[in-house]
Amino acid sequence: QKEVEQNSGPLSVPEGAIASLNCTYSDRGSQSFFWYRQYSGKSPELIMFIYSNGDKEDGRFTAQLNKASQYVSLLIRDSQPSDSATYLCAVAFTGTASKLTFGTGTRLQVTL
Amino acid sequence: GAVVSQHPSRVICKSGTSVKIECRSLDFQATTMFWYRQFPKQSLMLMATSNEGSKATYEQGVEKDKFLINHASLTLSTLTVTSAHPEDSSFYICSAPGQGNQPQHFGDGTRLSIL
Repeated sequence: QKEVEQNSGPLSVPEGAIASLNCTYSDRGSQSFFWYRQYSGKSPELIMFIYSNGDKEDGRFTAQLNKASQYVSLLIRDSQPSDSATYLCAVAFTGTASKLTFGTGTRLQVTL
Repeated sequence: GAVVSQHPSRVICKSGTSVKIECRSLDFQATTMFWYRQFPKQSLMLMATSNEGSKATYEQGVEKDKFLINHASLTLSTLTVTSAHPEDSSFYICSAPGQGNQPQHFGDGTRLSIL
């Protein structure tokens, strides 16, 4: 059973702080890793994707991947109230055309 | 703008009704599309992989005779929930891999409520 684990939260951070979201996965053969943001009642929205070990930065977001530890994280700098949402970690066994296995998501609350 | 269009966005119908949900790739061809289901406060669970011109691949525990998938063209996949019952009420979401090596993009989802 391929599993993706996330802390359900809620993770509460003050506005302007760094939010750190974590995800572990069980299938060592996983190749592609994604972070989606989902607002209540809405469809997931892609935030970041990463394939190689290390860091990948895009604006206020940084994805970090450590395949040896089977761990992927998302850092959100200068958190804004509009970042308040559920963040879903997803893993694919092969490339982008393969099916995704999702974690249960971490709810982030950015407080004023 | 949206790259995957899903309709309808919301359906409310009586028990026993069959409901069809459409998923279209906009401006690109998708030989594969994915159908997910999300119950309240739970994550997305893959139901099936839709393959253009061939049978869909269903995940374990998903009834293929209840959830009919048709992928008749390179831009359209449909999911039909046959004889829907209240326990089928959920948020159904489709996705399609992007062009080249781009990640999957999701449709806006269909909120299905069976009375």
